[in-house]
Amino acid sequence: NAGVTQTPKFQVLKTGQSMTLQCAQDMNHNSMYWYRQDPGMGLRLIYYSASEGTTDKGEVPNGYNVSRLNKREFSLRLESAAPSQTSVYFCASTPGGFYGYTFGSGTRLTVV
Amino acid sequence: EDQVTQSPEALRLQEGESSSLNCSYTVSGLRGLFWYRQDPGKGPEFLFTLYSAGEEKEKERLKATLTKKESFLHITAPKPEDSATYLCAVESVATDKLIFGTGTRLQVFP
Repeated sequence: NAGVTQTPKFQVLKTGQSMTLQCAQDMNHNSMYWYRQDPGMGLRLIYYSASEGTTDKGEVPNGYNVSRLNKREFSLRLESAAPSQTSVYFCASTPGGFYGYTFGSGTRLTVV
Repeated sequence: EDQVTQSPEALRLQEGESSSLNCSYTVSGLRGLFWYRQDPGKGPEFLFTLYSAGEEKEKERLKATLTKKESFLHITAPKPEDSATYLCAVESVATDKLIFGTGTRLQVFP
């Protein structure tokens, strides 16, 4: 019963490099989300997918792209990393309605 | 614009010393208010959902209440293992996403 799995757990990038953060859930949830968490800023929504085949921008989408590969998987791509993207990234999913989100354990990304 | 404000930012309690955390919100039609617990280095863990003013939910030493403008998380006789950051979030009827507050970092000392 894995829940939401994120890979990798840690990553260091040089400015300008690209990478993809992976997220998979095994709970048959419809909706999936990518958040970033920075000290003093709380969790901010980057992108979300309300259902398979759809994606929408959140509060801070600039510099990111997403792909909802299938119902289980939702990836986040940084095309050209910048130091401002240094953060902890969380993926979450929910079946919808009044159910709470289930979060992954996060990816700690440092851009130097 | 939907907004969530949590206070205090940090709270230090002696074991057994009860207290409350506050979450004030403005939202264009509340669908639900959510409380999460987050331990260092981990993702948030869902605690409660509250739907309407006057509602209360309880789990062990925690009780969450809701009014039209704020929610309280009451911690009764806390233990050191209750130490964590507690996050509040709201979802409006117009959206499918949560807006989070910045959290209250709780430390309980033996």
